[in-house]
Amino acid sequence: KAGVTQTPRYLIKTRGQQVTLSCSPISGHRSVSWYQQTPGQGLQFLFEYFSETQRNKGNFPGRFSGRQFSNSRSEMNVSTLELGDSALYLCASSNGTGEWSAQHFGDGTRLSIL
Amino acid sequence: AQSVTQLGSHVSVSEGALVLLRCNYSSSVPPYLFWYVQYPNQGLQLLLKYTSAATLVKGINGFEAEFKKSETSFHLTKPSAHMRDAAEYFCAVTQKYGGSQGNLIFGKGTKLSVKP
Repeated sequence: KAGVTQTPRYLIKTRGQQVTLSCSPISGHRSVSWYQQTPGQGLQFLFEYFSETQRNKGNFPGRFSGRQFSNSRSEMNVSTLELGDSALYLCASSNGTGEWSAQHFGDGTRLSIL
Repeated sequence: AQSVTQLGSHVSVSEGALVLLRCNYSSSVPPYLFWYVQYPNQGLQLLLKYTSAATLVKGINGFEAEFKKSETSFHLTKPSAHMRDAAEYFCAVTQKYGGSQGNLIFGKGTKLSVKP
């Protein structure tokens, strides 16, 4: 069974640009969550999507947005990039229903802002 | 609100020695607790999870953790460290509410070094 796939693995942008990151969950998983990992703030929850609907949201500005498609694939977008947005962005998928199932993480997209 | 505190940002042990990584949580409702491991340039891999069944949870790679409600702790242990255990370990907590399960609260992480 293929794992969670995130593309691209590395990305370099400049301040003010926007970026879109992609996540393909494990087959059959309907929940996709996004996290930001930085040395200073650690791992922080961005948002969760389930069946194309945002189900939960962390404390990030509106420049961070996401969506989920009917095949459960998800994208997150960051507009008007700032230096502080440099981070490893991790996507995790899970069954999302019934008894709690573990979140399975991808290897992340490392975003560098110049 | 939920939170997780991992005591010790760096832990160093000798190969073959006991590994003990500490995690304390705060939660107003019964928590679900997890330990994840992260190797360089990789995502997080689930080691084990506690979801209100047995309080002693066995995970992969010889790790286990014990849920102690009275101490609000969920420490991770391994009897004998191996060089391949060198990585960063994260404790996380969540709760099941309104059907949402996708919001993990992580600790700051503990980097484990293993000396030969």
